[in-house]
Amino acid sequence: GENVEQHPSTLSVQEGDSAVIKCTYSDSASNYFPWYKQELGKGPQLIIDIRSNVGEKKDQRIAVTLNKTAKHFSLHITETQPEDSAVYFCAASKGDYKLSFGAGTTVTVRA
Amino acid sequence: DSGVTQTPKHLITATGQRVTLRCSPRSGDLSVYWYQQSLDQGLQFLIQYYNGEERAKGNILERFSAQQFPDLHSELNLSSLELGDSALYFCASSVAGGSLNEQFFGPGTRLTVL
Repeated sequence: GENVEQHPSTLSVQEGDSAVIKCTYSDSASNYFPWYKQELGKGPQLIIDIRSNVGEKKDQRIAVTLNKTAKHFSLHITETQPEDSAVYFCAASKGDYKLSFGAGTTVTVRA
Repeated sequence: DSGVTQTPKHLITATGQRVTLRCSPRSGDLSVYWYQQSLDQGLQFLIQYYNGEERAKGNILERFSAQQFPDLHSELNLSSLELGDSALYFCASSVAGGSLNEQFFGPGTRLTVL
Protein backbone atom coordinates (compact mmCIF):
# COMPACT_ATOMS: atom_id res chain seq x y z
CA GLY A 1 0.00 0.00 0.00
CA GLU A 2 0.86 3.67 -0.08
CA ASN A 3 3.49 4.88 2.39
CA VAL A 4 3.73 8.59 3.12
CA GLU A 5 6.71 9.98 5.03
CA GLN A 6 6.64 13.48 6.47
CA HIS A 7 9.47 15.68 7.76
CA PRO A 8 10.20 17.31 10.07
CA SER A 9 8.14 16.00 12.97
CA THR A 10 8.44 19.34 14.77
CA LEU A 11 9.16 22.81 13.46
CA SER A 12 9.64 26.03 15.39
CA VAL A 13 9.75 29.30 13.49
CA GLN A 14 9.86 32.96 14.36
CA GLU A 15 6.73 34.91 13.57
CA GLY A 16 7.02 36.34 10.06
CA ASP A 17 9.43 33.66 8.85
CA SER A 18 8.55 30.86 6.44
CA ALA A 19 7.83 27.24 7.26
CA VAL A 20 8.37 24.30 4.94
CA ILE A 21 7.12 20.75 5.45
CA LYS A 22 8.12 17.95 3.09
CA CYS A 23 6.44 14.65 2.26
CA THR A 24 7.39 11.71 0.09
CA TYR A 25 5.10 8.98 -1.18
CA SER A 26 5.78 5.51 -2.47
CA ASP A 27 2.99 4.71 -4.94
CA SER A 28 3.55 6.36 -8.32
CA ALA A 29 -0.18 5.92 -9.06
CA SER A 30 -1.10 8.48 -6.38
CA ASN A 31 -2.67 11.54 -7.96
CA TYR A 32 -4.22 13.62 -5.16
CA PHE A 33 -2.27 15.28 -2.37
CA PRO A 34 -4.18 17.22 0.30
CA TRP A 35 -2.76 19.01 3.34
CA TYR A 36 -4.65 19.19 6.61
CA LYS A 37 -4.23 21.43 9.64
CA GLN A 38 -5.29 20.08 13.02
CA GLU A 39 -5.66 22.40 15.99
CA LEU A 40 -5.82 21.13 19.53
CA GLY A 41 -9.11 19.39 20.26
CA LYS A 42 -10.37 19.64 16.69
CA GLY A 43 -10.57 17.48 13.62
CA PRO A 44 -8.23 17.91 10.64
CA GLN A 45 -9.17 20.77 8.33
CA LEU A 46 -8.22 20.81 4.65
CA ILE A 47 -6.09 23.85 3.91
CA ILE A 48 -4.89 23.17 0.38
CA ASP A 49 -4.68 20.30 -2.07
CA ILE A 50 -2.96 19.57 -5.36
CA ARG A 51 -3.62 17.09 -8.13
CA SER A 52 -1.02 15.30 -10.20
CA ASN A 53 -1.53 17.40 -13.31
CA VAL A 54 -0.40 20.56 -11.46
CA GLY A 55 3.09 21.40 -10.22
CA GLU A 56 2.27 24.22 -7.83
CA LYS A 57 -0.75 25.79 -6.20
CA LYS A 58 -1.04 28.91 -4.04
CA ASP A 59 -3.67 30.24 -1.70
CA GLN A 60 -2.68 33.48 0.00
CA ARG A 61 0.20 32.62 2.39
CA ILE A 62 0.09 28.90 1.67
CA ALA A 63 1.56 27.08 -1.32
CA VAL A 64 2.08 23.45 -2.24
CA THR A 65 4.54 22.07 -4.77
CA LEU A 66 4.55 18.61 -6.32
CA ASN A 67 7.39 16.76 -7.99
CA LYS A 68 5.92 13.58 -9.47
CA THR A 69 9.23 12.32 -10.77
CA ALA A 70 10.79 12.42 -7.33
CA LYS A 71 7.49 11.51 -5.64
CA HIS A 72 7.57 14.34 -3.17
CA PHE A 73 5.43 17.32 -2.32
CA SER A 74 5.90 20.22 0.05
CA LEU A 75 3.85 22.76 1.98
CA HIS A 76 5.14 26.31 2.23
CA ILE A 77 3.72 28.82 4.70
CA THR A 78 5.00 32.36 4.33
CA GLU A 79 4.81 35.24 6.83
CA THR A 80 3.88 32.86 9.63
CA GLN A 81 1.52 34.05 12.34
CA PRO A 82 0.76 32.66 15.81
CA GLU A 83 -2.52 31.20 14.52
CA ASP A 84 -0.50 28.99 12.15
CA SER A 85 0.63 26.97 15.18
CA ALA A 86 -0.93 23.53 14.78
CA VAL A 87 -0.20 19.99 13.58
CA TYR A 88 -0.04 19.67 9.80
CA PHE A 89 -0.62 16.42 7.93
CA CYS A 90 0.11 15.58 4.34
CA ALA A 91 -1.79 12.80 2.60
CA ALA A 92 -1.80 10.96 -0.69
CA SER A 93 -4.44 9.11 -2.64
CA LYS A 94 -4.76 7.39 -5.98
CA GLY A 95 -8.47 8.02 -6.16
CA ASP A 96 -9.37 4.70 -4.58
CA TYR A 97 -11.29 6.32 -1.72
CA LYS A 98 -8.43 5.95 0.76
CA LEU A 99 -6.25 8.77 2.06
CA SER A 100 -2.86 7.71 3.41
CA PHE A 101 -1.55 10.25 5.91
CA GLY A 102 1.93 11.27 6.96
CA ALA A 103 2.81 11.20 10.65
CA GLY A 104 2.28 14.93 11.10
CA THR A 105 4.40 18.02 11.79
CA THR A 106 3.90 20.10 14.91
CA VAL A 107 4.48 23.72 13.94
CA THR A 108 5.10 26.32 16.63
CA VAL A 109 5.25 29.98 15.67
CA ARG A 110 7.20 32.02 18.23
CA ALA A 111 6.05 35.58 18.81
CA ASP B 1 -17.15 24.28 11.86
CA SER B 2 -16.99 21.64 9.12
CA GLY B 3 -20.68 20.75 9.28
CA VAL B 4 -19.88 17.16 10.29
CA THR B 5 -21.15 16.24 13.74
CA GLN B 6 -19.98 13.40 15.94
CA THR B 7 -21.34 12.10 19.22
CA PRO B 8 -20.34 11.53 21.89
CA LYS B 9 -17.35 13.84 22.28
CA HIS B 10 -15.80 11.65 24.96
CA LEU B 11 -16.38 8.02 25.88
CA ILE B 12 -14.83 6.12 28.75
CA THR B 13 -15.44 2.41 29.01
CA ALA B 14 -13.88 -0.83 30.20
CA THR B 15 -12.11 -3.61 28.36
CA GLY B 16 -14.44 -6.15 26.81
CA GLN B 17 -17.25 -3.67 26.36
CA ARG B 18 -18.98 -2.50 23.19
CA VAL B 19 -19.57 1.11 22.13
CA THR B 20 -21.22 2.91 19.25
CA LEU B 21 -19.94 6.14 17.77
CA ARG B 22 -22.26 8.27 15.68
CA CYS B 23 -21.60 10.60 12.78
CA SER B 24 -23.83 12.94 10.78
CA PRO B 25 -22.29 14.09 7.50
CA ARG B 26 -22.57 17.56 6.01
CA SER B 27 -25.85 18.28 4.33
CA GLY B 28 -25.73 16.87 0.81
CA ASP B 29 -22.69 14.66 1.35
CA LEU B 30 -23.24 11.03 0.40
CA SER B 31 -19.94 9.56 1.51
CA VAL B 32 -18.76 8.93 5.05
CA TYR B 33 -15.27 7.87 6.11
CA TRP B 34 -14.05 6.68 9.49
CA TYR B 35 -10.49 7.24 10.73
CA GLN B 36 -8.64 6.27 13.88
CA GLN B 37 -5.96 8.59 15.28
CA SER B 38 -3.55 7.26 17.86
CA LEU B 39 -0.12 8.40 19.00
CA ASP B 40 1.68 5.33 17.66
CA GLN B 41 -0.29 4.72 14.45
CA GLY B 42 -1.17 8.26 13.38
CA LEU B 43 -4.27 8.81 11.24
CA GLN B 44 -5.47 5.50 9.83
CA PHE B 45 -8.33 5.01 7.39
CA LEU B 46 -10.83 2.45 8.67
CA ILE B 47 -13.79 2.26 6.32
CA GLN B 48 -15.90 4.22 3.87
CA TYR B 49 -19.60 4.17 3.02
CA TYR B 50 -21.22 5.76 0.03
CA ASN B 51 -24.97 6.26 -0.06
CA GLY B 52 -25.59 3.39 2.32
CA GLU B 53 -23.17 0.89 0.85
CA GLU B 54 -19.69 -0.06 1.98
CA ARG B 55 -17.22 1.31 -0.57
CA ALA B 56 -13.75 0.66 0.83
CA LYS B 57 -12.04 -0.92 3.80
CA GLY B 58 -8.76 0.03 5.35
CA ASN B 59 -7.09 -1.12 8.54
CA ILE B 60 -10.29 -2.01 10.32
CA LEU B 61 -10.28 -4.80 12.86
CA GLU B 62 -12.85 -7.59 12.69
CA ARG B 63 -14.11 -6.45 16.11
CA PHE B 64 -15.14 -3.16 14.49
CA SER B 65 -18.05 -2.65 12.14
CA ALA B 66 -19.89 0.27 10.63
CA GLN B 67 -23.02 1.09 8.72
CA GLN B 68 -24.64 4.02 6.98
CA PHE B 69 -28.36 4.51 7.36
CA PRO B 70 -30.92 5.78 4.83
CA ASP B 71 -30.71 9.28 6.32
CA LEU B 72 -26.94 9.04 5.61
CA HIS B 73 -25.77 9.18 9.20
CA SER B 74 -23.24 6.51 10.10
CA GLU B 75 -22.35 4.50 13.16
CA LEU B 76 -19.08 2.82 14.04
CA ASN B 77 -19.43 -0.12 16.39
CA LEU B 78 -16.43 -1.22 18.43
CA SER B 79 -16.73 -4.47 20.38
CA SER B 80 -14.60 -6.56 22.75
CA LEU B 81 -12.66 -3.40 23.46
CA GLU B 82 -8.99 -3.58 24.34
CA LEU B 83 -6.71 -1.01 25.94
CA GLY B 84 -5.10 -0.42 22.56
CA ASP B 85 -8.39 0.75 21.08
CA SER B 86 -8.09 3.97 23.05
CA ALA B 87 -7.81 6.67 20.40
CA LEU B 88 -9.53 9.55 18.67
CA TYR B 89 -12.07 8.41 16.11
CA PHE B 90 -12.89 10.82 13.33
CA CYS B 91 -15.65 10.78 10.82
CA ALA B 92 -15.31 12.66 7.55
CA SER B 93 -17.73 13.24 4.72
CA SER B 94 -17.54 14.19 1.08
CA VAL B 95 -20.00 14.91 -1.68
CA ALA B 96 -19.17 11.90 -3.80
CA GLY B 97 -17.47 8.59 -3.32
CA GLY B 98 -13.90 9.00 -4.46
CA SER B 99 -11.14 10.34 -2.23
CA LEU B 100 -10.33 12.94 -4.88
CA ASN B 101 -13.22 14.82 -3.33
CA GLU B 102 -12.46 17.06 -0.39
CA GLN B 103 -13.12 15.29 2.90
CA PHE B 104 -14.54 17.35 5.76
CA PHE B 105 -13.68 16.06 9.21
CA GLY B 106 -15.82 16.11 12.30
CA PRO B 107 -14.50 17.07 15.77
CA GLY B 108 -13.90 13.45 16.72
CA THR B 109 -14.81 11.11 19.57
CA ARG B 110 -12.15 10.44 22.15
CA LEU B 111 -12.42 6.84 23.33
CA THR B 112 -10.68 5.78 26.51
CA VAL B 113 -10.66 2.09 27.37
CA LEU B 114 -9.71 1.35 30.98
